[in-house]
Amino acid sequence: SQTIHQWPATLVQPVGSPLSLECTVEGTSNPNLYWYRQAAGRGLQLLFYSVGIGQISSEVPQNLSASRPQDRQFILSSKKLLLSDSGFYLCAWSPETFNSEKLFFGSGTQLSVL
Amino acid sequence: AQKVTQAQTEISVVEKEDVTLDCVYETRDTTYYLFWYKQPPSGELVFLIRRNSFDEQNEISGRYSWNFQKSTSSFNFTITASQVVDSAVYFCALSEPYNNNDMRFGAGTRLTVKP
Repeated sequence: SQTIHQWPATLVQPVGSPLSLECTVEGTSNPNLYWYRQAAGRGLQLLFYSVGIGQISSEVPQNLSASRPQDRQFILSSKKLLLSDSGFYLCAWSPETFNSEKLFFGSGTQLSVL
Repeated sequence: AQKVTQAQTEISVVEKEDVTLDCVYETRDTTYYLFWYKQPPSGELVFLIRRNSFDEQNEISGRYSWNFQKSTSSFNFTITASQVVDSAVYFCALSEPYNNNDMRFGAGTRLTVKP
């Protein structure tokens, strides 16, 4: 069966510090991978998605970046965090199919930038 | 680009009441998929239903039912005889398979069911 792992669960970082959130998927190949952010009391905002190794699409210009160094690994990074980067970050995957499949979500990372 | 609107930010009901969560979407594609997800306090989103644009048949699953109406671009979700465990944030989402296949979510509706 497929599983998705996301870590850390919580993170408190000072403004200006770097960020690295990691997400890995097991039990499947060539998944579509996604990073979403949920600000406090708000909906889900798509940040990045990837359909393959090295293929990253960015939805919102910001100081965040994403990378996919391996087929089932998706990393969210920042060189210098801003206060506005605080939020709940969710990684998700879906099967590599032409028709839209449901997303499978990780357990999320609560990021607090102070 | 596609857009999903959940006008109800928060809803509070008493246990055993029926409640309907509204979802209105916008898309230029004729082929698309609609979803509902539940986010309990633990934070992880849980898939509830997927419906493609060619299937307007309403669906019932236990206490959950969905009303898909293309004429009004709506995909509403009804919980019958609500329970405290239904308390969560519910998200409606839209995906266009011919448009990068990314999924767009509404802002979510926070449902609180009081005992």
